[in-house]
Amino acid sequence: AQTVTQSQPEMSVQEAETVTLSCTYDTSESDYYLFWYKQPPSRQMILVIRQEAYKQQNATENRFSVNFQKAAKSFSLKISDSQLGDAAMYFCAYVGGSQGNLIFGKGTKLSVKP
Amino acid sequence: DTEVTQTPKHLVMGMTNKKSLKCEQHMGHRAMYWYKQKAKKPPELMFVYSYEKLSINESVPSRFSPECPNSSLLNLHLHALQPEDSALYLCASSQSAGSPYNEQFFGPGTRLTVL
Repeated sequence: AQTVTQSQPEMSVQEAETVTLSCTYDTSESDYYLFWYKQPPSRQMILVIRQEAYKQQNATENRFSVNFQKAAKSFSLKISDSQLGDAAMYFCAYVGGSQGNLIFGKGTKLSVKP
Repeated sequence: DTEVTQTPKHLVMGMTNKKSLKCEQHMGHRAMYWYKQKAKKPPELMFVYSYEKLSINESVPSRFSPECPNSSLLNLHLHALQPEDSALYLCASSQSAGSPYNEQFFGPGTRLTVL
């Protein structure tokens, strides 16, 4: 069975600094996607970035980038130039196989200090 | 339009009440999902509808009854709930189910409190 592990329940970063959130996963599938979702206190789950397993190049979206290490089954999220609006719960998620259902990690609560 | 809407935003109900949650999307997606999310926990999948047919039921108690009247609408009918059912209920949609390629778009959720 596929699993997603986020080992950092909480993280804190100073405004304008860089922070990295960790995620590891376990799967026997060769074809899958990985996602980082952001859920601010307003509750709306928003997709931050996604990575296709067959692509070696790390995905980037403005200040957000990932470090995808397929052999190590690691998928970390780097947030550069952190802003107050980045404060949220971040969920790492996996989808693969024939069902296509999202499997979430337990989440990392990110606080941004002014 | 990349929006999934949910109504109501908040719902308080007694254990003997019958209520319904509604979800709507106009992105032409053919897969829709219900998740339950407890505080500080990740969403837990409840149901998946694919082409308006129930494809996955994650052993959800029968007091939760999903319905998909058409490809744009998804309802969750609630009856005889328990206080432990209090949670945030999230709806999501994607182009299709059963594929790792399809991004799921989430609604803002309905905060349910069962007294």
